[in-house]
Amino acid sequence: DAGVIQSPRHEVTEMGQEVTLRCKLISGHNSLFWYRQTMMRGLELLIYFNNNVPIDDSGMPEDRFSAKMPNASFSTLKIQPSEPRDSAVYFCASSLTGVGNTIYFGEGSWLTVV
Amino acid sequence: AQSVAQPEDQVNVAEGNPLTVKCTYSVSGNPYLFWYVQYPNRGLQFLLKYITGDNLVKGSYGFEAEFNKSQTSFHLKKPSALVSDSALYFCAVRGIYNQGGKLIFGQGTELSVKP
Repeated sequence: DAGVIQSPRHEVTEMGQEVTLRCKLISGHNSLFWYRQTMMRGLELLIYFNNNVPIDDSGMPEDRFSAKMPNASFSTLKIQPSEPRDSAVYFCASSLTGVGNTIYFGEGSWLTVV
Repeated sequence: AQSVAQPEDQVNVAEGNPLTVKCTYSVSGNPYLFWYVQYPNRGLQFLLKYITGDNLVKGSYGFEAEFNKSQTSFHLKKPSALVSDSALYFCAVRGIYNQGGKLIFGQGTELSVKP
């Protein structure tokens, strides 16, 4: 079975440009997570959806960040405008609802803003 | 609030020796504990989890972890380390109640296995 699929794997963009990261959930999963990984802050949750509904977006840094689930199997994370401090690895992850279920991660989108 | 701590930033082990990567947790209620591994330039891979039942949990690649409620620990172990085990290891607790179902991660422990 295919795992969580993220695109692009690598993105280099200039400050001020819009960045869109994409994620396809594992088939049948209904919980979706966006995490960000940096050296300074480690792994931090940005936003969490359950059944397409945002449950916890307290980790979204500011209004420049937005996330959507246009359908049950797909999500986007958008940064507009991007800034150099947004440079990080962004992971998408999915699971079945329920705290005992395993959360599976994609390979990440490596973003560099210059 | 729920949290996990990994007290060691780095663990060095010789190949063939047993390894332990430490994790302690703080939760209210029953803990749902996970270990993940991250190889360079890769995503996080699930190793094992404790939900309930037997305190010794076996996982992928020969790893196991022991849940100890009295010490609030969930240490990752392997009887004989391989060079290929060198990676970054994360302990995590899955939040419940007002923290939803998200994973709350420790800061990570870098494991280095030398030949």
